[in-house]
Amino acid sequence: GENVEQHPSTLSVQEGDSAVIKCTYSDSASNYFPWYKQELGKRPQLIIDIRSNVGEKKDQRIAVTLNKTAKHFSLHITETQPEDSAVYFCADERSNDYKLSFGAGTTVTVRA
Amino acid sequence: GAGVSQSPSNKVTEKGKDVELRCDPISGHTALYWYRQSLGQGLEFLIYFQGNSAPDKSGLPSDRFSAERTGGSVSTLTIQRTQQEDSAVYLCASSPEWGTYEQYFGPGTRLTVT
Repeated sequence: GENVEQHPSTLSVQEGDSAVIKCTYSDSASNYFPWYKQELGKRPQLIIDIRSNVGEKKDQRIAVTLNKTAKHFSLHITETQPEDSAVYFCADERSNDYKLSFGAGTTVTVRA
Repeated sequence: GAGVSQSPSNKVTEKGKDVELRCDPISGHTALYWYRQSLGQGLEFLIYFQGNSAPDKSGLPSDRFSAERTGGSVSTLTIQRTQQEDSAVYLCASSPEWGTYEQYFGPGTRLTVT
């Protein structure tokens, strides 16, 4: 896709609370939506992804939901821990166009 | 096994000079991507290679930027006549093949143009 908007740009949560990051995309041909986590000074790493034929996917404390009609998808982190502090990027990829378009990132800070 | 590696890790160059950044993808990965990450920003797609197919250069910001991938493995991103706005972290990623597969990122090269 060409344009992915990500909100909020910063998020501060108390340890143990949940964090939610939302992304919207514009291209209805987008069919793959990964989330990457980038710790300070480190490389981005995939934490979860979802394809357009699925509405929700969970992996332990992390979940992603996709609403194709509204063209938005969200990352949910439950029971946040200090090690969840990082920058999180959403992205989308259009079918047959295998490059990712990234959101601007959300800096998550988990307060102990 | 070894992950994606990039060199140099840091590069400081004077405005107007040319620079070459190198990426070694994970062995056996046929898809290779270059991104640029400016301070506090997201990742901007530059170019990707898939096997022997023509690369997708649609993200290159100007004709000063070019990239090669030799033998389907190592890739070099070249920036000619560098400008201060080229200062950024240049990230390389590889994946097993093109399509909806996880992209594994290298540690990046931090380029500073003075």
